[in-house]
Amino acid sequence: DAMVIQNPRYQVTQFGKPVTLSCSQTLNHNVMYWYQQKSSQAPKLLFHYYDKDFNNEADTPDNFQSRRPNTSFCFLDIRSPGLGDAAMYLCATQGTDYGYTFGSGTRLTVV
Amino acid sequence: SQQGEEDPQALSIQEGENATMNCSYKTSINNLQWYRQNSGRGLVHLILIRSNEREKHSGRLRVTLDTSKKSSSLLITASRAADTASYFCATSNDYKLSFGAGTTVTVRA
Repeated sequence: DAMVIQNPRYQVTQFGKPVTLSCSQTLNHNVMYWYQQKSSQAPKLLFHYYDKDFNNEADTPDNFQSRRPNTSFCFLDIRSPGLGDAAMYLCATQGTDYGYTFGSGTRLTVV
Repeated sequence: SQQGEEDPQALSIQEGENATMNCSYKTSINNLQWYRQNSGRGLVHLILIRSNEREKHSGRLRVTLDTSKKSSSLLITASRAADTASYFCATSNDYKLSFGAGTTVTVRA
């Protein structure tokens, strides 16, 4: 089935050690998003791609970077994770009907 | 930034009862969407209502939109234990989806 796949499901990283989260989609959607969701909070948009055009939210920390090498894949790089970066990271794509398809998320723990 | 606010924050109902939750937002929108999130999981798209629509149905779900009041409601009829989840409204404008804080719904058997 066409879907959005996030790997890994759970990621543990050390304080300050760079970490990369990955997302792939088989939907061939132009727009891909990365959201951060902390416990009991709303998902917060970090950035999105429209094709190769990268759009960063004004309040996204510089510590967070993203790459989209092709339509199918998108990566979230956290250069120096802090304890406050522990969260669920959600990848999503947007279809022509404006509905979003979310992956199952990667839960990041920083130790 | 967070656009919507949801009310109530939490809701506990008996199986078979209806659950209603409300969402208010601040700026103009292209459409408003509702999502469900089971604990520790990703978000599941439930229903989308466009800014020129007033009401939409999907199975046991009924969504209303009042753009003059910048508010929306989600009604789940004949609730089931499997409806236990957090429900988020999200507004869409210029390819961005901004979420409210969510309503946690618990359906008691």
